[in-house]
Amino acid sequence: GAGVSQSPSNKVTEKGKDVELRCDPISGHTALYWYRQSLGQGLEFLIYFQGNSAPDKSGLPSDRFSAERTGGSVSTLTIQRTQQEDSAVYLCASSLDVSGSHTGELFFGEGSRLTVL
Amino acid sequence: DAKTTQPTSMDCAEGRAANLPCNHSTISGNEYVYWYRQIHSQGPQYIIHGLKNNETNEMASLIITEDRKSSTLILPHATLRDTAVYYCIVRAFYNQGGKLIFGQGTELSVKP
Repeated sequence: GAGVSQSPSNKVTEKGKDVELRCDPISGHTALYWYRQSLGQGLEFLIYFQGNSAPDKSGLPSDRFSAERTGGSVSTLTIQRTQQEDSAVYLCASSLDVSGSHTGELFFGEGSRLTVL
Repeated sequence: DAKTTQPTSMDCAEGRAANLPCNHSTISGNEYVYWYRQIHSQGPQYIIHGLKNNETNEMASLIITEDRKSSTLILPHATLRDTAVYYCIVRAFYNQGGKLIFGQGTELSVKP
């Protein structure tokens, strides 16, 4: 597709279960970002990838959160042993480049809404 | 990256210009001003960005003061579909992390 694709769009899980959220960036975009947005709150940065490496993981809230990116394309955000406070919309974004790119435009997906019961 | 200050909310009549202010008094010389918006239940959408000159595109105009300490996003003829949260963000040209840091934004309500 032409845009950033995220799946699932909605996920309901029980406390303590693991979940995986997937992001398909725009083809050719080397930078990929994960954000979280809790109900009524602003966007919280989680992690950023340049290619397959993650130079900035500063926003991951705990060691239950991890992310990987393979082939410079698809990324998976994994939350282990989910807690109720993990309930949020998880947004993925991609951009063409980072270093030397003054446009800085991020293209966002529609998000994955996670509900932990 | 420099911090920004925006009003929490604003109203605008449909068909009128919406002027959304942003203060970024600590902006550095290599930092750009970006504007994004988030319509309810959607991902954020890029609107426009600028360094020091005024910019215009099909969506909006960006007016940056000469000292670059503040800017205004102008939606020339607001429609009901422009109701959204508008985020003003500053980011360096060569940003080490590449990320955008979103504040709380301005909730714009366009009314009939």
